Amino acid sequence: ETGVTQTPRHLVMGMTNKKSLKCEQHLGHNAMYWYKQSAKKPLELMFVYNFKEQTENNSVPSRFSPECPNSSHLFLHLHTLQPEDSALYLCASSQVAGQGHYGYTFGSGTRLTVV
Amino acid sequence: ELKVEQNPLFLSMQEGKNYTIYCNYSTTSDRLYWYRQDPGKSLESLFVLLSNGAVKQEGRLMASLDTKARLSTLHITAAVHDLSATYFCAVDNNNDMRFGAGTRLTVKP
Repeated sequence: ETGVTQTPRHLVMGMTNKKSLKCEQHLGHNAMYWYKQSAKKPLELMFVYNFKEQTENNSVPSRFSPECPNSSHLFLHLHTLQPEDSALYLCASSQVAGQGHYGYTFGSGTRLTVV
Repeated sequence: ELKVEQNPLFLSMQEGKNYTIYCNYSTTSDRLYWYRQDPGKSLESLFVLLSNGAVKQEGRLMASLDTKARLSTLHITAAVHDLSATYFCAVDNNNDMRFGAGTRLTVKP
């Protein structure tokens, strides 16, 4: 375990389904992130939460809805997805202080397939 | 917008050889990170470079940062098969990171 736990590891869902991805960090970090990794594009930042407040929504379609109930938990709610949303979704956390942070700790990811 | 470019994107090398992966970025930043990703796995932090001229080494890997040239290098010395993976550089941009496309390294016997 890296200190950042993601569930489920694999998810297959239909385009009309609603599902949620969960991320939990055990490191005491104050910032959490969702990234999308697909074969065709570099790692894409989706959402950033600092101290539970969303500070960035990187032009992500509304069919992706993040939720950060506390500084240790982060969710990504999914509904009416498209096949092109199939990808590896990575959660990360970091400790932001002063002028920046000292790198991210990533979870193992959720491999999502939309059928 | 910050852009991060890595090259090469694919690298096949023989065991025992040396090689360098390059990471260029487009805006001023003094924080650069290197990660490793094995197939089907998550990203593992390798190096954090926080200032101009920073050099860090771990085993057969050495990373350096030149903030004036906006360039970081990851040098591989005497490669072994266990180093086969995808290597990503990432640049800090106002407390979020932008990643390069990754370099897929294959080390052959």
